[in-house]
Amino acid sequence: GAVVSQHPSWVICKSGTSVKIECRSLDFQATTMFWYRQFPKQSLMLMATSNEGSKATYEQGVEKDKFLINHASLTLSTLTVTSAHPEDSSFYICSARWANYEQYFGPGTRLTVT
Amino acid sequence: GENVEQHPSTLSVQEGDSAVIKCTYSDSASNYFPWYKQELGKRPQLIIDIRSNVGEKKDQRIAVTLNKTAKHFSLHITETQPEDSAVYFCAASIIEGGKLIFGQGTELSVKP
Repeated sequence: GAVVSQHPSWVICKSGTSVKIECRSLDFQATTMFWYRQFPKQSLMLMATSNEGSKATYEQGVEKDKFLINHASLTLSTLTVTSAHPEDSSFYICSARWANYEQYFGPGTRLTVT
Repeated sequence: GENVEQHPSTLSVQEGDSAVIKCTYSDSASNYFPWYKQELGKRPQLIIDIRSNVGEKKDQRIAVTLNKTAKHFSLHITETQPEDSAVYFCAASIIEGGKLIFGQGTELSVKP
């Protein structure tokens, strides 16, 4: 199957700082990328959908000014958590797809805000 | 919007037994229903999926059934093995590759 990577795999940051997470499709061009958040022992919750070259579409309840998503190329999308707080600590997972085919998940990024 | 309910939240079976996980969805426009297996700290892995024009699909020990009228679908794992232990998520989407709405997850434990 297609390969999607995320970087970093884990990050610890201090409260009030910003952190950027990268999602890359390594062997295909991703026209759409999705960002999910998963709290411990909970399900994956869709945060936003990003299409290359367009503004991301955020799900209800997700603050677009806090979670900045950029999909500047067909192989890279970034999620920036601005002014992070301890409650933002979570497992962030991206997925990528080409056209309307199966989406492939990245390995996830564990964010801990102290 | 779409809402997916999944039961049970935990399931413990003896090795060799069958396991069944059930999901219901609310949006009649949903047409694609994948199932994912997630091990602790890892990415979800697609194990089987079904589209709305099919009632049942099987892949070795795994099968999925879909009742579109009742808006529910189920995952069946036969001859369970300890390596089947993981969290399983159902999901629904209007199209394959579309945004996925996940169920709450089922933690399956297969005891040797």
